[in-house]
Amino acid sequence: QVQLVQSGSELKKPGASVKVSCKASGYIFTTYAMNWVRQAPGQGLEWMGWINTNTGNPTYAQGFTGRFVFSLDTSVTTAYLQISSLKAEDTAIYYCARANGPISSGVNLWGQGTLVTVSS
Amino acid sequence: SYVVTQPPSVSVAPGKTARITCGGNDIGSKTVHWYQQKPGQAPVLVIYYDSDRPSGIPERFSGSTSGNTATLTISRVGAGDEADYYCQVWDINSEHFVFGTGTKVTVL
Repeated sequence: QVQLVQSGSELKKPGASVKVSCKASGYIFTTYAMNWVRQAPGQGLEWMGWINTNTGNPTYAQGFTGRFVFSLDTSVTTAYLQISSLKAEDTAIYYCARANGPISSGVNLWGQGTLVTVSS
Repeated sequence: SYVVTQPPSVSVAPGKTARITCGGNDIGSKTVHWYQQKPGQAPVLVIYYDSDRPSGIPERFSGSTSGNTATLTISRVGAGDEADYYCQVWDINSEHFVFGTGTKVTVL
């Protein structure tokens, strides 16, 4: 079964770090790029960037540079999102989302989302 | 960065046609995708490459682009179409995506 399964919800204090995992199965992991998308409570979708699963090269959207890191472990077909120096405004659902084909082709497979809550 | 705007809401009577717009400078020359998101769920791709439909998406969903506007059209709207709809634009110059602000579709 083709799917993306993300790690569970996280509750973190401001200043801490979090690492969200996205386990892919049912397809060849390195064939399709992986996007990351953020959705703050009651807000719209924000594209955070993507990672080339063949080369490991990440591309970050404006506003997601510095504290945000995309990485891979191809041996376990898993993509990761790490956020450091967490702030209250990082509270959101984070989705991994597999490209439909080439990166420009949109997303046709989404993880279930991981809620990250940042609160003291 | 590239800015994409959508109307916050669209209301439509059952059985009628809903048109959701996505505005951006010369968007007709860019690649546009559309997603449907229902409460508590991940988005679902309903249109890609401006007007193509993924398998499993009803023919009632169609897309078009021209000039500064991309449009998602939903024909014969039913209660199951109530959702938030987002356009997503690929900016080839920056090799980045941008999401529209989202449109809430309400079936009267």
